[in-house]
Parts: sequence; structure tokens; C-alpha cells
Amino acid sequence: KQEVTQIPAALSVPEGENLVLNCSFTDSAIYNLQWFRQDPGKGLTSLLLIQSSQREQTSGRLNASLDKSSGRSTLYIAASQPGDSATYLCAVNRGSTLGRLYFGRGTQLTVWP
Amino acid sequence: DADVTQTPRNRITKTGKRIMLECSQTKGHDRMYWYRQDPGLGLRLIYYSFDVKDINKGEISDGYSVSRQAQAKFSLSLESAIPNQTALYFCATSDSMGTGYGYTFGSGTRLTVV
Repeated sequence: KQEVTQIPAALSVPEGENLVLNCSFTDSAIYNLQWFRQDPGKGLTSLLLIQSSQREQTSGRLNASLDKSSGRSTLYIAASQPGDSATYLCAVNRGSTLGRLYFGRGTQLTVWP
Repeated sequence: DADVTQTPRNRITKTGKRIMLECSQTKGHDRMYWYRQDPGLGLRLIYYSFDVKDINKGEISDGYSVSRQAQAKFSLSLESAIPNQTALYFCATSDSMGTGYGYTFGSGTRLTVV
């Protein structure tokens, strides 16, 4: 069974800092990995999707990397802002059970002014 | 309009009642899913459907049933609600392999069973 772990569980930083959120998974046979953002009481917004053949994806101030062999992904947030405050979820798609995502428990990020 | 719409947004129901949560999508995706989110446990898969005639159990399907009425509609039923089914429920869609396989989530239904 695929296990997905996110570290840290919570993070509180001042505005302007560069951040790294970590995600690890136990089974390296993944099809892709997706990072989501969830605001309190809201749905999930997809941030970045990395296919298993890719090493990284970038969108604005966000950069996600993937190292399949070591079972790790990182989400890098540059120049953090208070509006980045949310919970960030990592999810992997194993491919063998097509379409099914395995989620980590998330990192709750607070960026204060 | 949202790509994936869930109704109701919030619901309080009594133990033993039957309740249905509905999901509709305009993404044109063939795959639809129901997840539940509990504090500290992350999201867990209840049921998933790859097309109208294909429905599969997820990891926590006991106490739930689903119906795929059309490609765009996927409903989740709690036959006899119990308090530990209090959670945030999400519907999601994805396209088939070969087109990115990204997911789109609805805004969620917050269900409280008293």
C-alpha cells in the first residue's frame, strides 16, 4: 500500500521567506504526483502536477521537484506572502490503480506580515 | 459556474437517516471520485467510477453507496448515517490517461451526523 508523508505538519514564517515543503512516498512506482492547496473549509485547488518522467514543474513562485527513485517531492515557495497561508497537500497516483490518488496529511502554512 | 459542483454545501442530519450527496461536473471527464476528509487523517477514497457502468469501492466504502446517473453526475448515499461519518466530503473528477491526469475537486460538503 502506498503511504504518503508530509513534513512538517505545520509551519509558521514571516512574510518574504523562501519555503520548502516535503513529501515522501513509499512506493516509487508512481504515475504522477500532484500538489494541492486547501483553504480552511474549502475545496482543493491544484497547484502543480508532475509526471513520473519529469523532474520538476514551475508555476509563478512555486516550484515542485520529483525524485522517484528516492520517493521524494518538494514544493518550493519563493518570497512567501500572507495570501499563501493554507494547507498544502501532496498526492501520488500509482498508475496501477488508475486514477486513484493517495494523499498525505498536509502541511499547514501560516505566513505572517 | 464551478467545474465540479457539490450539493448541499452543509448538512446536519440525525443518526439513522438516509442522506444523499450530489456531484455534477462540466469538465467532460469520464472519471469521478468521492473522498472524505477527517482532521488529522487526510483524504481517503470512498468510491470511484471510471465510466457510467464502472463503479469501484475505495478504501472506506462500508456504510456508503454510490450511483453514477450519467457521465456528469455521481451521487454518494449514506444509507443509515452514524456520527463517525461526520466529515468533509469531496467529489473529484479526472480525465483518462494521456491528457495530464490532473484532478479537479468540488468545494466539499460538510456533513454532521448528530
